[in-house]
Amino acid sequence: DTAVSQTPKYLVTQMGNDKSIKCEQNLGHDTMYWYKQDSKKFLKIMFSYNNKELIINETVPNRFSPKSPDKAHLNLHINSLELGDSAVYFCASSPTRRTAGTGAFFGQGTRLTVV
Amino acid sequence: GDSVTQMEGPVTLSEEACLTINCTYTATGYPSLFWYVQYPGEGLQLLLKATKADDKGSNKGFEATYRKETTSFHLEKGSVQVSDSAVYFCALSDFTGGGNKLTFGTGTQLKVEL
Repeated sequence: DTAVSQTPKYLVTQMGNDKSIKCEQNLGHDTMYWYKQDSKKFLKIMFSYNNKELIINETVPNRFSPKSPDKAHLNLHINSLELGDSAVYFCASSPTRRTAGTGAFFGQGTRLTVV
Repeated sequence: GDSVTQMEGPVTLSEEACLTINCTYTATGYPSLFWYVQYPGEGLQLLLKATKADDKGSNKGFEATYRKETTSFHLEKGSVQVSDSAVYFCALSDFTGGGNKLTFGTGTQLKVEL
């Protein structure tokens, strides 16, 4: 069983379109995250949710809107896609936001290409 | 703010060579430290971790020691294999400002050749 699963794995779309990436974790974790990995492999946090509550929002354009219907799911919706949004987006989860020592478990990533 | 600096790659080694990937950090609190590995086309996997000073994390022959005095967490392996070829990320986690986030280094690509 996949612990953190994201769909789709690949997404190719045109500029200006709106798209969503879905994420689900079956680990029973309270906290979920979205990270962005750019073309140089640099990883940066975008959002973090704890029990459906947004707790971290790292200066991400408001075209990006996360939604957490329950603590096992965290989706990412992107409006008006731009070329610069092309990247790999990783979903992750961890047991609780107060346990810094556990690290996070990552999904396989979604490679978004905007053309 | 928090930051992680790791040596630039790519690092190319022959099989059975020794590996060291340097990592230093800056943090205001008392962070936990991690090494993650990313194999081609895959997500990140936690390789090892250490949660306090002088802790040693180890896994699959890799090890790293949390050195508070030098703010370092260097990754080492005595004998690398071709299957170790991947990108390695050093990261720290600190609970501040109401959230718990990982701050990553830029990644070091390791290529092991026969």
